[in-house]
Amino acid sequence: QQQVKQSPQSLIVQKGGISIINCAYENTAFDYFPWYQQFPGKGPALLIAIRPDVSEKKEGRFTISFNKSAKQFSLHIMDSQPGDSATYFCAASMDGATNKLIFGTGTLLAVQP
Amino acid sequence: GAGVSQSPSNKVTEKGKDVELRCDPISGHTALYWYRQSLGQGLEFLIYFQGNSAPDKSGLPSDRFSAERTGGSVSTLTIQRTQQEDSAVYLCASSLWGGKHEQFFGPGTRLTVL
Repeated sequence: QQQVKQSPQSLIVQKGGISIINCAYENTAFDYFPWYQQFPGKGPALLIAIRPDVSEKKEGRFTISFNKSAKQFSLHIMDSQPGDSATYFCAASMDGATNKLIFGTGTLLAVQP
Repeated sequence: GAGVSQSPSNKVTEKGKDVELRCDPISGHTALYWYRQSLGQGLEFLIYFQGNSAPDKSGLPSDRFSAERTGGSVSTLTIQRTQQEDSAVYLCASSLWGGKHEQFFGPGTRLTVL
């Protein structure tokens, strides 16, 4: 119940295309869903996050779509650029004493010029 | 002003040796987390500190792993009698309060156990 399942494992997109990464969870107590971006040799950095009271959040070219009934959420990267090539992790946490993040297994995105 | 820093950036050790990994969180961040990232895996929670206390140690994989935090700042993760399966990148993150605040990650320490 603590798992967050992420797909695909890897993704190749042409420059200007749309990158879509999906995540699913089981624990309905999760109430915070961030996406992190990680470049090689660096730590993950928060990209965008959503709470279950909204169905969509957009920041620039990045959009999170959230489906509470299906217990799924996804990251859409519009007009993908070579600089977006990185590993993307979805995560979830629940309100409580620790707010530790439960991460998906990551998606390696390659945007071809 | 600086972000989360970790040292060393790389550590190679022999099986059976003890290692210490250090994390310097962002100044003023009371919450500190350790995660482990194994090859091809997501990040796995290890331990959470609020101030100098560790109310959640549920992710520590065995009693060979321990951590402490002093002065509400620097944290040290210690792995005793290292095993090859301990090889991974160990990441530290800090945040304000530990609530729904962004966790800022350090660059990690890559541990290789030969």
